[in-house]
Formats: sequence, C-alpha cells, structure tokens
Amino acid sequence: GAGVSQSPRYKVTKRGQDVALRCDPISGHVSLYWYRQALGQGPEFLTYFNYEAQQDKSGLPNDRFSAERPEGSISTLTIQRTEQRDSAMYRCASSLRLAGGTPDTQYFGPGTRLTVL
Amino acid sequence: AQKITQTQPGMFVQEKEAVTLDCTYDTSDPSYGLFWYKQPSSGEMIFLIYQGSYDQQNATEGRYSLNFQKARKSANLVISASQLGDSAMYFCAMRGDNTNAGKSTFGDGTTLTVKP
Repeated sequence: GAGVSQSPRYKVTKRGQDVALRCDPISGHVSLYWYRQALGQGPEFLTYFNYEAQQDKSGLPNDRFSAERPEGSISTLTIQRTEQRDSAMYRCASSLRLAGGTPDTQYFGPGTRLTVL
Repeated sequence: AQKITQTQPGMFVQEKEAVTLDCTYDTSDPSYGLFWYKQPSSGEMIFLIYQGSYDQQNATEGRYSLNFQKARKSANLVISASQLGDSAMYFCAMRGDNTNAGKSTFGDGTTLTVKP
C-alpha cells in the first residue's frame, strides 16, 4: 500500500518568506509526527498529533513554527519568516496506534529538503 | 529525559560477515520501545526492527536481530551475512509510553560500509 508522502520534496525559499510543508500519512494511521533532520545527524522531534489533536509541541524551536492536522489526516507544518538556520530535512512519520500506549512503529515519509537562501 | 548514544560514527564489515552496531540508552520511563532505522544514501528512513522493554526475547527480523540487555541499557543491532546493499547510515531510537509517549529520540547514527 501507499506509504507516507510529503510535498514538496524540495523547497528553496528566500529568507523572510513563509513556507508550508505537507504530510499525507498512511491511510488509517491515527498518529502523525514531525521531525527535523540536520545533515549527518539523527531526526529531532518537533511535534505530534493523535487524530486532529496536537499532543506535544515541545520540540518546535520557536513561535515561527506551527503545525496543524485539522481533519485528523493530512498535516501541514508552517514556518513563518524563514531564516537560514531553518534549512534542513523535515520529515513526517505516522503510526497506526495512538501514541501514549505501547510504543508503535513510526513509518517515515521521504522528507522535504528546505533550503533558505 | 531520553537519550540515545551511538558511539561508532563509522563501521566497516566484509561482505557475508556479521556486524554489531552499538546503541545505549537512558530514560526515566518504566516502559519503552527501542527501534532501529536504516537510512541509505537516497535519504529514506526504513524501519528495521523493534524491541519492547518488557519483551522476554530479543527481537529478530530476517538478517537483523536486536541484542537487548536491559540492565546495561543497551540495544545493539546485529546484521548477519552482510550484503553490499546494507551500506547505509543506521539510527537507533527510543520512545517511552509515559511522558515521552509521542516523541522518538534518535542517536546520531552509525555509517556502515560493506566491503566486497
């Protein structure tokens, strides 16, 4: 079946512009997660949702970052007034069961490579 | 807080031999899961294997097995009969079922190179 999809795959933007990154989870997966990965490092947690409810946003670096999942399926990560330090791979993952019980496997999308000039 | 430590930035193995990638962890959660992912040069993150903290037996998935030693807080990945296609970066990750329920913590990875 279809895996997690993300769009766009590559995004180049100028400093100060807003960007919106989209994630489409595996059908039926109730939890959705956002991570950021710098080159040569492991993914770093940003935020996650159970259905449409944002459960934990402790990893969002500052208030320029926000995420939503209004209908409990597709999610959008928005970065306002982008800065060069925001350049990274942004990865989305989804899991079948609710986060909060027995840890469930997270399946990752291909990521969006964001470059801020 | 959760922490994952992968002490081997790079590893080399001869084709068809076995290799162990080290991972140690720290958490305050009473129950947790440990995961290994493979990231080839194409950049995707591929799930390999999962071990629950209360599982009595070590997890195995084909050529992958997880050497879980709870008292030592280690969860090493063993790849048997290495293949050229195993060359990639490997990440160890964990997630708790309590305060850290939704967030996976990843190590910095180990780059494995399989020599022909």
